[in-house]
Amino acid sequence: GAVVSQHPSRVICKSGTSVKIECRSLDFQATTMFWYRQFPKQSLMLMATSNEGSKATYEQGVEKDKFLINHASLTLSTLTVTSAHPEDSSFYICSASFGGLNTGELFFGEGSRLTVL
Amino acid sequence: TQLLEQSPQFLSIQEGENLTVYCNSSSVFSSLQWYRQEPGEGPVLLVTVVTGGEVKKLKRLTFQFGDARKDSSLHITAAQPGDTGLYLCAGLFSGGYNKLIFGAGTRLAVHP
Repeated sequence: GAVVSQHPSRVICKSGTSVKIECRSLDFQATTMFWYRQFPKQSLMLMATSNEGSKATYEQGVEKDKFLINHASLTLSTLTVTSAHPEDSSFYICSASFGGLNTGELFFGEGSRLTVL
Repeated sequence: TQLLEQSPQFLSIQEGENLTVYCNSSSVFSSLQWYRQEPGEGPVLLVTVVTGGEVKKLKRLTFQFGDARKDSSLHITAAQPGDTGLYLCAGLFSGGYNKLIFGAGTRLAVHP
């Protein structure tokens, strides 16, 4: 079946540094990718929707300049957390769809756990 | 504002018991999905329901979509310790562009 891979799975960084997380669709072309954030013992909160070749659409309350999303190709989207702070520590999960978001056409990555010291 | 209300948030039961998880919204969804998530991993799709009143079964799990497509339920029969995990409902929201919105989740613990 379709596979979405995230890298790195875990990252620890110092406060003030930037961290990039990659999301790849391994066996299909993802026209749309979604980035979610999940705090401990909470659900997934949609951060932004990323379409290949265009600017990402951010959800209300998500800072565009802090969470930079790039979807340069149909198989790769990146999330860069700029000037990370401890409150940015979270589990970041990407998902990808092909041909538009319809029933059962969304595949999730394994997630990336970010810890900011 | 949570578009999808999920209840209960926590459930601790003994092996063999039955349970039902509810997912409610004031919005109509074109489809609704149920996921299960293990700690440190991404969610895994269990089922997608599309038609109002639809019932789908996956072994001991029964999923139902409300007639008005605003609510759904997940019923587990004879729960087993292997069913322990976080269960999430997610609705396909078509307000301008398609996006999948998750409920708060139900953390289930089944004790032997």
